[in-house]
Amino acid sequence: QKEVEQNSGPLSVPEGAIASLNCTYSDRGSQSFFWYRQYSGKSPELIMFIYSNGDKEDGRFTAQLNKASQYVSLLIRDSQPSDSATYLCAGRGVKTSYDKVIFGPGTSLSVIP
Amino acid sequence: GAGVSQSPRYKVAKRGQDVALRCDPISGHVSLFWYQQALGQGPEFLTYFQNEAQLDKSGLPSDRFFAERPEGSVSTLKIQRTQQEDSAVYLCASSLIGQPQHFGDGTRLSIL
Repeated sequence: QKEVEQNSGPLSVPEGAIASLNCTYSDRGSQSFFWYRQYSGKSPELIMFIYSNGDKEDGRFTAQLNKASQYVSLLIRDSQPSDSATYLCAGRGVKTSYDKVIFGPGTSLSVIP
Repeated sequence: GAGVSQSPRYKVAKRGQDVALRCDPISGHVSLFWYQQALGQGPEFLTYFQNEAQLDKSGLPSDRFFAERPEGSVSTLKIQRTQQEDSAVYLCASSLIGQPQHFGDGTRLSIL
């Protein structure tokens, strides 16, 4: 079992719809979680990070964390074609007591105009 | 620019050659990470430094891979006797403890 898991996709949504991206993790000791966006041929760029249970909103993006279910999600409202990319979920403090960050395999999102 | 700098951006080597990849982190960032990313995959953890101490090297694929950060700043990832399966993008990231990582542009390594 991978430590951080995501559906690889591709996930296709029409422009203007809500895109929902999901991530699960195996280590209950994980402290914080990050969502990165990666365009083809580019390096990952941070979109959101979340430490506490519940929702965290930033513009069109909402991150949700449920530590009891070991589940993290990212919602993208009013999806735009420019949101088409791979979305990487990462967990920090995975199975260690120090600053290790582990990434999931990524979910490919395609927003159809 | 105060971002993470990696060099070279592209490296082509023949199988069996040694290569060295450099990462210059953001000034003051204690944590430094190396990842290997194959096409269509997420970044795979290779190793982690906190200042000059290599606290975790569990992701290094074999003893041909070696990383160092002797003064707690610039880091070098060295691959000896390269093999075709080493072809990938090598990403370096740095951060303050517990804070989000900042990634460099990566080095795309191709082994012929």
